[in-house]
Amino acid sequence: ETGVTQSPTHLIKTRGQQVTLRCSSQSGHNTVSWYQQALGQGPQFIFQYYREEENGRGNFPPRFSGLQFPNYSSELNVNALELDDSALYLCASSPLKTGNTGELFFGEGSRLTVL
Amino acid sequence: GENVEQHPSTLSVQEGDSAVIKCTYSDSASNYFPWYKQELGKRPQLIIDIRSNVGEKKDQRIAVTLNKTAKHFSLHITETQPEDSAVYFCAALIQGAQKLVFGQGTRLTINP
Repeated sequence: ETGVTQSPTHLIKTRGQQVTLRCSSQSGHNTVSWYQQALGQGPQFIFQYYREEENGRGNFPPRFSGLQFPNYSSELNVNALELDDSALYLCASSPLKTGNTGELFFGEGSRLTVL
Repeated sequence: GENVEQHPSTLSVQEGDSAVIKCTYSDSASNYFPWYKQELGKRPQLIIDIRSNVGEKKDQRIAVTLNKTAKHFSLHITETQPEDSAVYFCAALIQGAQKLVFGQGTRLTINP
């Protein structure tokens, strides 16, 4: 059974650019959530995808968008990057929608630095 | 609003002593409370969780207690070891919003 995998592990972008982060969920998991973890802080919920549809969204602007594919993998896209977008982006999968209290399994994250 | 407060932000204990980390939450409908351990540069890993239908759960040296009336939950680590050094996060499930709200984290250092 493979765990949650994310790519790339590290990347550097400049302000105004766009970035796409990718996540493969754990085998058998159909729900993917994305979290942003700024340095020294707890993870902040961005959104969740269940059966290819957005199923809950946190306090993030529309330039944060996502997709889920039929194989349950997911992408996080961020447009018009800002310096404050620098963070560790964590993908978490679950066999259930989080609202059904399924536990989350996190990937190792993608560390984004915006210069 | 949805909020989870975690204390203390840093905690240093002698090896073999106990460590306690406390959290409070604001959403009275929350019914799932996980604790995560995050080592430097690593992913958060679930170490224990508790659901609102129980008041205490134990797994070897780790225990969690929940007081739903007071909206408090706590992590207890006994017989601490150097490998327990990490940042610990509590979280609460926000019903209907499909998300976990995390505390600010506690940096635990175990001194040999």
